[in-house]
Amino acid sequence: NTVMTQSPTSIFTSVGDRVTMSCKASQNVGINVGWYQQKTGQSPKRLIYWASNRDAGVPDRFTGSRSGTEFTLTISNMQAEDPAIYYCLQHNSYPYTFGAGTKLELK
Amino acid sequence: EVQLVESGGGLVQPGRSLKLSCAASGFTFSNYYMAWVRQAPTKGLEWVASITNSGGSTYYRDSVKGRFTISRDNAKSTLYLQMDSLRSEDTATYYCTRPGDYWGQGVMVTVSS
Repeated sequence: NTVMTQSPTSIFTSVGDRVTMSCKASQNVGINVGWYQQKTGQSPKRLIYWASNRDAGVPDRFTGSRSGTEFTLTISNMQAEDPAIYYCLQHNSYPYTFGAGTKLELK
Repeated sequence: EVQLVESGGGLVQPGRSLKLSCAASGFTFSNYYMAWVRQAPTKGLEWVASITNSGGSTYYRDSVKGRFTISRDNAKSTLYLQMDSLRSEDTATYYCTRPGDYWGQGVMVTVSS
């Protein structure tokens, strides 16, 4: 099974900061990775598909990138509405696997 | 507007069965793979099962193989998850998803005596 190792576990940041989190796949998953945002009490929402494509309506401060088996989600200008848990998901092969999540909080 | 509405959750004893349903609307259901994802209380997301658009192929995580069955009725635009031999570790909120752009609101399943 493909393991998605997500880091860091948590981030404390301020409005306006640049935030970066990553997921490393244990094997090649191509570009078959998505990033999801889950706010407290809500269903997950996809932000990025195929590693670097932004979903419709997602602010352009969210950017996904890939380098080999490492995937990165960057928030260029942290906003007050961005605190959430962020998950990566590989859907290259079954069983699909999520990262453990990165909890993003405001200082 | 795409909508996915889960139902069928509740409290069930270990070893018993439960069947979840997900009513889909706002898109041509028969054109899409569908999936179930779950989230145990205070834990992360966990993919459970997927089904092809025709229903001809299904995929499961190892921990539910042989106990859970994903199915669909394209005429009714409804996705199902039959859960048998339930265990305490199956306690979670179960989400129906059109992988992965649309998600339901989730339905809680609690397995406890």
